Amino acid sequence: EIVLTQSPGTLSLSPGERASLSCRASQSVSSTFLAWYQQKPGQAPRLLIYGASSRATGIPDRFSGSGSGADFTLTIDRLEPEDFAVYYCQHYGTSLWTFGQGTKVEIK
Amino acid sequence: QLQLQESGPGLVKPSETLSLTCTVSGGTISSSTYFWGWIRQPPGKGLEWIGTIYYSGSTYYNSSLKSRVTISVDASENQFSLRLSSVTAADTAFYYCARLIKTGAPRYYFDYWGQGTLVTVSS
Repeated sequence: EIVLTQSPGTLSLSPGERASLSCRASQSVSSTFLAWYQQKPGQAPRLLIYGASSRATGIPDRFSGSGSGADFTLTIDRLEPEDFAVYYCQHYGTSLWTFGQGTKVEIK
Repeated sequence: QLQLQESGPGLVKPSETLSLTCTVSGGTISSSTYFWGWIRQPPGKGLEWIGTIYYSGSTYYNSSLKSRVTISVDASENQFSLRLSSVTAADTAFYYCARLIKTGAPRYYFDYWGQGTLVTVSS
């Protein structure tokens, strides 16, 4: 079973700064099955990125995903106040879906 | 616009069975393009995939919950359901239903989510 490890656990940044969130898989995975979600307090997760680098409908272009093999990155350029939230990566493999433990992006 | 809505008891006693239903509106559950899934999140913690179902009834379960989980579908009502037996306090969580993209590339990601419902296990 593939384990996804996200780092850092918490990222303290100011609005306007750039955020880089890491998602590392325990073995090489297909980028086709790698997605990222944003979750704000009291809300359901929202799909941001699928296929490692494709933005979901309505997602601003300051959000971008990259990576391959076992290392993937979610980048948020020029943080807006509404971007401070928890972010999860997710992977599918062999009839199993797994989530990373999440990275919280908080206001510094 | 597709909408998913979870429903069911918010309080379940230890050792009993948790039962939730997800009603899909604005789209059909009987589509070859999608899977349907359940995910949970203990308060203040991360997301845990519970299981996934196809409208034909094929299911996939998290191995850590497999012995206690049953997911079923009622296409005539455009609903799918979750049953989790022998619950304990550790099963207290927000439970979300969601749609997954099944076909094409990329696929197997959750594109629509319900708002979630809190289920507390307590006597």
